[in-house]
Amino acid sequence: NAGVTQTPKFRVLKTGQSMTLLCAQDMNHEYMYWYRQDPGMGLRLIHYSVGEGTTAKGEVPDGYNVSRLKKQNFLLGLESAAPSQTSVYFCASASTGSETQYFGPGTRLLVL
Amino acid sequence: GQQLNQSPQSMFIQEGEDVSMNCTSSSIFNTWLWYKQDPGEGPVLLIALYKAGELTSNGRLTAQFGITRKDSFLNISASIPSDVGIYFCAGNLPGTYKYIFGTGTRLKVLA
Repeated sequence: NAGVTQTPKFRVLKTGQSMTLLCAQDMNHEYMYWYRQDPGMGLRLIHYSVGEGTTAKGEVPDGYNVSRLKKQNFLLGLESAAPSQTSVYFCASASTGSETQYFGPGTRLLVL
Repeated sequence: GQQLNQSPQSMFIQEGEDVSMNCTSSSIFNTWLWYKQDPGEGPVLLIALYKAGELTSNGRLTAQFGITRKDSFLNISASIPSDVGIYFCAGNLPGTYKYIFGTGTRLKVLA
């Protein structure tokens, strides 16, 4: 039981490049979330999903897209990376009716 | 975006001392959560609070859900070196699946 895993752990992009961050959970959780963490800002919700095939915007969705084609996976896409998207990205999952979010180890993204 | 006011931002304490931190919001929350984050790791849930006035303990940690539903505090008693890390509060907005996180309290324990 690996819990929540994130791929890759670290990535450097040039401005304008695109990439996809993968989050996978093996706990059969319905809910999945993508956050970004910046110094002094805590965690801010980018997008979330309450089930396979559904997604919704969080607080800071601009510049990101997501997909939840399979229940266990939640993908975060950057179509055209900008330096302002340099951050640490965390994925989390939770079961229906539970407030306990399980977080992945994070992906560190640097956009030059 | 909306964020919770968490204080203090950082604390340096001696081993064995008690620690107190709090979060306040202009919005009412249904649930308050307290997380700890170690360097290079994701946050780990410490305590969850579900009702106004609720006081819950987890070992040396005690947290309370404020009566107004707009605040919460976390106490750590008899701190030890492994308590070092960043502590986050988070609140669930009523009628949503969203959690708003505080800006974090960075705790350092001096042996």
